Amino acid sequence: DTGVSQDPRHKITKRGQNVTFRCDPISEHNRLYWYRQTLGQGPEFLTYFQNEAQLEKSRLLSNRFSAERPKGSFSTLEIQRTEQGDSAMYLCASTRQDYGYTFGSGTRLTVV
Amino acid sequence: QKEVEQNSGPLSVPEGAIASLNCTYSDRVSQSFFWYRQYSGKSPELIMSIYSNGDKEDGRFTAQLNKASQYVSLLIRDSQPSDSATYLCAVTRAGSARQLTFGSGTQLTVLP
Repeated sequence: DTGVSQDPRHKITKRGQNVTFRCDPISEHNRLYWYRQTLGQGPEFLTYFQNEAQLEKSRLLSNRFSAERPKGSFSTLEIQRTEQGDSAMYLCASTRQDYGYTFGSGTRLTVV
Repeated sequence: QKEVEQNSGPLSVPEGAIASLNCTYSDRVSQSFFWYRQYSGKSPELIMSIYSNGDKEDGRFTAQLNKASQYVSLLIRDSQPSDSATYLCAVTRAGSARQLTFGSGTQLTVLP
């Protein structure tokens, strides 16, 4: 069990640029989640995959956000035309069906 | 009304004392309840889960659930300075694919 891995750890980008984050879940976990956390708040749900199928998306996930999980393994989260309000910690988590989440270390995005 | 509410704190207790953290939730069909610990700049770490009314103990931690009152709490006995962190309460609802809804967290400081 190597844990949930996220890359990069930090990303600084200029407003209007596109960014992509990667998440490698624990290998036997079929469920993968993306959350966003801003300072002083709890994580907010963005989207959920069961295997390769994206089954739920939050209303927070505007059309500038897209997520994929090809072949039910790693996942990517892309933000197009970044805005300053996108600055946050982006957390990936994975789980088997009846267990609590394991979170990755997160990707901290700063949009300048 | 927020779905999951916690006192933001900060809550300060002396070393060796019992720290009591509280959480209320608004959705009566909430099924599963979790406590996460988050150190500054780090990702949340699962410390307790509870699914039925009553108490659940794990080492120095005790989770208490009262579904009738829509209330869940976490007690930390013999608090240590290393327990200083933000504690996040999270709940899931039936049919939500175990999507977690988090509170904003309570900041705990254990004073040596």
